[in-house]
Amino acid sequence: KQEVTQIPAALSVPEGENLVLNCSFTDSAIYNLQWFRQDPGKGLTSLLLIQSSQREQTSGRLNASLDKSSGRSTLYIAASQPGDSATYLCAVTRDSNYQLIWGAGTKLIIKP
Amino acid sequence: SAVISQKPSRDICQRGTSLTIQCQVDSQVTMMFWYRQQPGQSLTLIATANQGSEATYESGFVIDKFPISRPNLTFSTLTVSNMSPEDSSIYLCSVDWQGGGKLFFGSGTQLSVL
Repeated sequence: KQEVTQIPAALSVPEGENLVLNCSFTDSAIYNLQWFRQDPGKGLTSLLLIQSSQREQTSGRLNASLDKSSGRSTLYIAASQPGDSATYLCAVTRDSNYQLIWGAGTKLIIKP
Repeated sequence: SAVISQKPSRDICQRGTSLTIQCQVDSQVTMMFWYRQQPGQSLTLIATANQGSEATYESGFVIDKFPISRPNLTFSTLTVSNMSPEDSSIYLCSVDWQGGGKLFFGSGTQLSVL
C-alpha cells in the first residue's frame, strides 16, 4: 500500500532564505507526482507535475525533483517571500486513473 | 487553466440534516473528483464522477451517505446526508482539465456539524 510522508510537518524561516521541502513515498511504481499549495479558504493550487519519466520540473522560483528509486521528491523554493507562506502538499498517482495518494503536508511560514 | 467555482464556501449545519455542495467548471471536463480533508489530515478521495454514469465511490464511502450528481460536463454536486459531527471537514471538488494529470481544485467548502 502506497504511503506518502512529508517532513517536516511545519517550517518557519526568515524571508529570503532558500528552503527544501521533502516528500517520500513507499512504492516507487508511480505514474506521476504533484506538488500543491493550499491557502486557507482558497482550495489547492497545482504547482508542479513531474511525470514518472522525468527527474525535475521548474516554475519560477520553484524546482521539484523526483528520484523514484529512492522514493523521494523535493520541492526547492528559492529566495522565499512572505507570500510563499502556505501548506505544501505532495501527491502521487499509481496509474492514470487519478487515484492520488496524499501526504499530510508541510506548513510553511516565511517571516518578514 | 480551468476555473472552478465551488459553493457554499462554508456552512454550519445541525446534526441529521443534509448539505449539497455545488461545483461549476468554466470548461467541459470528463471526470470530476470529490475529496474530503478532515482537520489536520490529508485529502481523501470520496468518489469520481463521470457525466452520464453513476459515480465511483472509494472504500469507506457509500452513495447513500454521499450522493453525487453529474448532469453535464461542467457541473456536479455532492450531498452530505444525515450529517454528524464526524462529517465536519473541508470538501473539495477537482478536475483533470485537458487530461494531462494536472488537477485543478475548487476553493473548498468548510463544513461544521453541530
